[in-house]
Amino acid sequence: EAQVTQNPRYLITVTGKKLTVTCSQNMNHEYMSWYRQDPGLGLRQIYYSMNVEVTDKGDVPEGYKVSRKEKRNFPLILESPSPNQTSLYFCASSLQGWTEAFFGQGTRLTVV
Amino acid sequence: AQKVTQAQTEISVVEKEDVTLDCVYETRDTTYYLFWYKQPPSGELVFLIRRNSFDEQNEISGRYSWNFQKSTSSFNFTITASQVVDSAVYFCALYANTGNQFYFGTGTSLTVIP
Repeated sequence: EAQVTQNPRYLITVTGKKLTVTCSQNMNHEYMSWYRQDPGLGLRQIYYSMNVEVTDKGDVPEGYKVSRKEKRNFPLILESPSPNQTSLYFCASSLQGWTEAFFGQGTRLTVV
Repeated sequence: AQKVTQAQTEISVVEKEDVTLDCVYETRDTTYYLFWYKQPPSGELVFLIRRNSFDEQNEISGRYSWNFQKSTSSFNFTITASQVVDSAVYFCALYANTGNQFYFGTGTSLTVIP
């Protein structure tokens, strides 16, 4: 089954404790990206990757890191989480940037 | 600058009514793509449609139709004879070749009342 898998689905953590949200796709897609969804703000792109070893900043990259060492995986790293990073996060993949995107189930992160 | 505006934050309609969700976009690119995604109460994001900037032909898929007008920079979405299952948040999005980034609108929350 074609899918994008994010883990964990829910996470509560404390300020400053490094965390990683994993994202994996099994569709051999080139383009992957991370979004955060906040009430009244819609989805905002954090980082995206056009291909392996190619990543770039989206609209709201501050406080986040990503890597794309393999085509299927695109983890999101919060080195020192802060409460303003409390949000719902989505990973997405698509064949190319302009094609239909498939989204993961979302990760609800709370930073206290 | 690239931007997507969905001015309607929330809409409520009675079942079987028609409803149009507005989407206005800004871009200086000549090549771009517009999308609509649906987010039902369960939370997942579901692709509905994509149009490219060179194809202004309107599209109909069952009860759904989309009106793309470059002259007004709009890509509106109409649901005909709405049903309770249409209740969701709908997002319009723009992908422009310059920058390779996605820009989503703030979403329109549609409630269909039985």
